[in-house]
Order: sequence, then structure tokens, then C-alpha cells
Amino acid sequence: DQQVKQNSPSLSVQEGRISILNCDYTNSMFDYFLWYKKYPAEGPTFLISISSIKDKNEDGRFTVFLNKSAKHLSLHIVPSQPGDSAVYFCAARLTGNQFYFGTGTSLTVIP
Amino acid sequence: DGGITQSPKYLFRKEGQNVTLSCEQNLNHDAMYWYRQDPGQGLRLIYYSQIVNDFQKGDIAEGYSVSREKKESFPLTVTSAQKNPTAFYLCASSIGGHQPQHFGDGTRLSIL
Repeated sequence: DQQVKQNSPSLSVQEGRISILNCDYTNSMFDYFLWYKKYPAEGPTFLISISSIKDKNEDGRFTVFLNKSAKHLSLHIVPSQPGDSAVYFCAARLTGNQFYFGTGTSLTVIP
Repeated sequence: DGGITQSPKYLFRKEGQNVTLSCEQNLNHDAMYWYRQDPGQGLRLIYYSQIVNDFQKGDIAEGYSVSREKKESFPLTVTSAQKNPTAFYLCASSIGGHQPQHFGDGTRLSIL
């Protein structure tokens, strides 16, 4: 059973606008959440993370929001740039260092 | 430069053969992982290791085997028992705690 879900397989956004990528999870024992960016034929690269004790973490154009009551995670990219076009995976960690990944959302930023 | 090296980038296997994928890291990370990615799916955990000489099965371990004789190395063997081995395989490592995993660039395995 998929414990981390990304229900939108793709998203298109105009350059300069906000991109919002969403992720839902089912296990309340997850204590750390991450977003990765991935290009074809490459490994994912770490983007931003948030601990379960926080509800927001910001790094430049990227902000991650965590709503524990809704078991929902989102990544905001503003302003979006063409170079942001990639597949974005959310991931969640259980105590014991086991990570669970969503199925990914393909973001296309249109110039 | 510290990082994770997976080799080879592309690998072909004949039916009935075992094949071993290499993963080496020089990040001094204790934990290492193997994932499989299929089209339209997320990363699914095959095996992980928290420490040398110890490893645990992930969600899809059947048909795979691993060893962890050195901290730096975590090779994955795809055995002939794996019925659908064609996939993109990713190796990762982490230092533990609230720290992200670092990934290699993957090995694409295809069946001839």
C-alpha cells in the first residue's frame, strides 16, 4: 500500500508564476519529509526538507509546508523558472531510517 | 569530491543470468539503500543497510540479494529468480537522523 502519494502526475506553469506540488501521506509516524528533483537518467537530488515538528521551511525560491492534521505536504516554487522543469518526488522517513517515496510529479515551466 | 558512484550506467542481462550492480560511496555514510524505479512509479525500496555486515529487506526484496562487507560498498545482485528485472536501479546513502539521502546516477538494467 502506497504510504506516500502524489496524485498529480504532471503540472504546467508559466514562467514567473507559482508552482505548487502536493503530497499526501498515511503514516503518522513519519518524522521527516523531503522533496527531491530528478532529471531523466539521473539520480534524484535533494531540494528541501522539513521536520515533523515544524510547519514551514523556506530556502530561497522553495518553501515546503507541512499540515500534520491533514497529513499533507506541499512544495511552493516562486517564481518558477524553466530550469525548474523536472520530476519532483516527495519522500517521508520513518524512525530507523527507512524512506518512502511518492510516484512523482512532472513539472513543466513554460517560458 | 564526495559522492556515490554506480556502475555501469547501462547493463544488459540474458535470461537466467545473475548480474551484480555496483554502488560505492566516499561520504562516510553509515546507511545505504537500493531502490528500483519503473515508469510512472515512485522509488521502491529493495534492501537497505544501516551498518556494515547488516542489512534488511525492503518492500520488493524477492529475487535480489545484497552484501555489506565494507562501509563504502553495497553491491546489489539481481538473480534469475527476479521475474521482471528490467528497471532503473538507484543506490543511495545517508548519514542518518534528519539528513537527506544522497543518490547515485543509477543503472539501467535491460533483459536481452
